[in-house]
Amino acid sequence: LAKTTQPISMDSYEGQEVNITCSHNNIATNDYITWYQQFPSQGPRFIIQGYKTKVTNEVASLFIPADRKSSTLSLPRVSLSDTAVYYCLVGDMGRDDKIIFGKGTRLHILP
Amino acid sequence: DSGVTQTPKHLITATGQRVTLRCSPRSGDLSVYWYQQSLDQGLQFLIQYYNGEERAKGNILERFSAQQFPDLHSELNLSSLELGDSALYFCASSVVPSAPGDLLGYTFGSGTRLTVV
Repeated sequence: LAKTTQPISMDSYEGQEVNITCSHNNIATNDYITWYQQFPSQGPRFIIQGYKTKVTNEVASLFIPADRKSSTLSLPRVSLSDTAVYYCLVGDMGRDDKIIFGKGTRLHILP
Repeated sequence: DSGVTQTPKHLITATGQRVTLRCSPRSGDLSVYWYQQSLDQGLQFLIQYYNGEERAKGNILERFSAQQFPDLHSELNLSSLELGDSALYFCASSVVPSAPGDLLGYTFGSGTRLTVV
């Protein structure tokens, strides 16, 4: 699994768009980029996954540049309930045996 | 409800004791993963099972062991418990990919909170 780097924490305000960037310089050809969200005392929840360009679902968008060495999770118009830790994972989740979560980004939404 | 069931939700026990945590994966998922999360810490990968066989090991202590049964449920056994073993223990499951690079995600249970006193 490729090593990832993301900010330790971020603050934003309700109604704003939040972008969390993850660096993954050693991403391999078969690797996908996956983001999880974790609320306190709950298990992580799958948010979005992508390989290249842009992916959008009902929760978020994922922007991946052509070189795939980074990715940006975009949360539109956040609310207080989006306060959580967000993890970026990079790998071929069908092949990798040891799925390692980093520290994640602690997002704090302010009123 | 994620489809991954973990029991019990809470467990309080004394040092030196042994406990068993149980996980039922989502229907159709053959892989089960165990993670430990201490207070304000990230998720530490412990061990993975695939269709009954151990597939990968992380930073799992020798006092801890796990197994996956024919019905695919898994148990994590923690023995000679220490205060530092107090944590949330999560189980996750995943489906077998049909082709390399298949879009996959891991489904996590709601965890078992273990308190060692």
